[in-house]
Amino acid sequence: NAGVTQTPKFQVLKTGQSMTLQCAQDMNHEYMSWYRQDPGMGLRLIHYSVGAGITDQGEVPNGYNVSRSTTEDFPLRLLSAAPSQTSVYFCASSPVIRSNQPQHFGDGTRLSIL
Amino acid sequence: TQLLEQSPQFLSIQEGENLTVYCNSSSVFSSLQWYRQEPGEGPVLLVTVVTGGEVKKLKRLTFQFGDARKDSSLHITAAQPGDTGLYLCAGYMNRDDKIIFGKGTRLHILP
Repeated sequence: NAGVTQTPKFQVLKTGQSMTLQCAQDMNHEYMSWYRQDPGMGLRLIHYSVGAGITDQGEVPNGYNVSRSTTEDFPLRLLSAAPSQTSVYFCASSPVIRSNQPQHFGDGTRLSIL
Repeated sequence: TQLLEQSPQFLSIQEGENLTVYCNSSSVFSSLQWYRQEPGEGPVLLVTVVTGGEVKKLKRLTFQFGDARKDSSLHITAAQPGDTGLYLCAGYMNRDDKIIFGKGTRLHILP
């Protein structure tokens, strides 16, 4: 069972470079989301999607873009990387956004911006 | 503004001791979830509590949702080194399609 797959696992970028963090799930989940995790800050929501073609902003969306063209994939784009975006990024999915539904997380992408 | 406050931030205790960690808010949540995260991995769901006053047990772990659905606690009996990890609470509000996470309690059980 693959679950939620994130690629790459590690990445180092220079300031100003762009890149896309990939997230794919094989559970036919409608709801997908991106979080960043920084020391002492917990998980902060960047963007989320309640279904294909629908995305919305979370708590810290600036500097990030997302799209949801298929149910399975939810890529996160950094258009011009900044050192403040150095973090561990987690993608999560759940069947629907309901109060009793579990979030299934990937293993994260560790991103360093020099 | 941090909607969910977790305490303590860090806890280091001896194997066999009991402990309680807390998740508090001034907001009312439709449900509250507890996750455990190990180094290099994503969080994994432990439990979801939905009803005010609800108590759920998972082996040596006891979870409680406050009567007013604003707070929750996790009690571990006879802690084991395998309980070491980052414990995160997450709250869901009906008005938003979002789940909000607390900053976590980092627990270390000494053998």
